[in-house]
Amino acid sequence: NAGVTQTPKFQVLKTGQSMTLQCAQDMNHNSMYWYRQDPGMGLRLIYYSASEGTTDKGEVPNGYNVSRLNKREFSLRLESAAPSQTSVYFCATGLAGKYEQYFGPGTRLTVT
Amino acid sequence: EDQVTQSPEALRLQEGESSSLNCSYTVSGLRGLFWYRQDPGKGPEFLFTLYSAGEEKEKERLKATLTKKESFLHITAPKPEDSATYLCAVQGIGDDKIIFGKGTRLHILP
Repeated sequence: NAGVTQTPKFQVLKTGQSMTLQCAQDMNHNSMYWYRQDPGMGLRLIYYSASEGTTDKGEVPNGYNVSRLNKREFSLRLESAAPSQTSVYFCATGLAGKYEQYFGPGTRLTVT
Repeated sequence: EDQVTQSPEALRLQEGESSSLNCSYTVSGLRGLFWYRQDPGKGPEFLFTLYSAGEEKEKERLKATLTKKESFLHITAPKPEDSATYLCAVQGIGDDKIIFGKGTRLHILP
């Protein structure tokens, strides 16, 4: 039982490159979330998926796209990376009817 | 607009020195208030959910309490392994999203 897994753990991109961050969960949770965490800014929601087949924007969606591939997987794509997207990205899951979220270990992304 | 403010930003305590962390919140209808622990280089780890004023939850040396405007995380006789950043978050009624505070960095000196 791995819980919430994220790949890759670390990534360095050049400005303008694209990449996809992967998140998978084996907790049978309905809801999945993508956050970014920056020093002094706290955790900010990028996108979320309340259930399979739905996605919604969070607080800071610009420059990102998401795909809820199935109940287990939720990916975050950067189409043209910018230095402002240097951050630590966390995926989280939650069970409908229970409000706490469970987080993955994070992806540390640097854009140069 | 829902808001969460945590204080202090950082706190250094001697081992065994009890203290409290504060989380002030503004939300139009509270569904739940959450406390998380985050160790360096790791994702946040869920600790507690509080649903209504007057509720208390305990786990080892931690006790979380809730009023209509704020929550406290009381740490009794802390140990160095309690050193971490503690995050507070709230969810409003009818909202799928959680709003996080910026956290309190707690350092327990041996």
